[in-house]
Amino acid sequence: DAGITQSPRYKITETGRQVTLMCHQTWSHSYMFWYRQDLGHGLRLIYYSAAADITDKGEVPDGYVVSRSKTENFPLTLESATRSQTSVYFCASSDPGLAGGYYNEQFFGPGTRLTVL
Amino acid sequence: RKEVEQDPGPFNVPEGATVAFNCTYSNSASQSFFWYRQDCRKEPKLLMSVYSSGNEDGRFTAQLNRASQYISLLIRDSKLSDSATYLCVVKALMNYGGATNKLIFGTGTLLAVQP
Repeated sequence: DAGITQSPRYKITETGRQVTLMCHQTWSHSYMFWYRQDLGHGLRLIYYSAAADITDKGEVPDGYVVSRSKTENFPLTLESATRSQTSVYFCASSDPGLAGGYYNEQFFGPGTRLTVL
Repeated sequence: RKEVEQDPGPFNVPEGATVAFNCTYSNSASQSFFWYRQDCRKEPKLLMSVYSSGNEDGRFTAQLNRASQYISLLIRDSKLSDSATYLCVVKALMNYGGATNKLIFGTGTLLAVQP
């Protein structure tokens, strides 16, 4: 099916474990993003990618690693999970389009609810 | 000061009411503005872009006031299905002022439309 998907949708893990959240989009959008959403903070950007093999830090990158070897995939890895990383994680994609990026829409995946015990 | 600030609400309104949300942004050089809608436990989705001249989409009207650095969303004739969190969003700028594809989200305003 076309669109943007995330897996797993729910994950419970323990402190110190490595966790990888997957994101896949079928639109061939050049930009992809990872956000976390927490009560009182709204959506905060963790990492983003402008194209395959090009990634950059967002507002809250510490403790996370990303890669983008293929345009359609943008996995997010928590190298050693901490309780403060308990959150809802959203992946999104967008394409600069003809407007030069001013009004282009970001499309979000359904989210992954991660609990770190 | 947060880059994008919104009243968290909740706004509890009866069906048929008109409700308005405001949002302020801190960077006077910001160029692009949006309202996203997020249903409970779902992903955010674009509701509408906000243009300088103001724009309307059915029962929804968005306005931009650059002098005061605020954005508004007006919902007329509220429906039960309008119940959601409304996110004010501003596109981030690069250090030199160029546009980016990064978005800055407000924390959202919760709207509950009552029957």
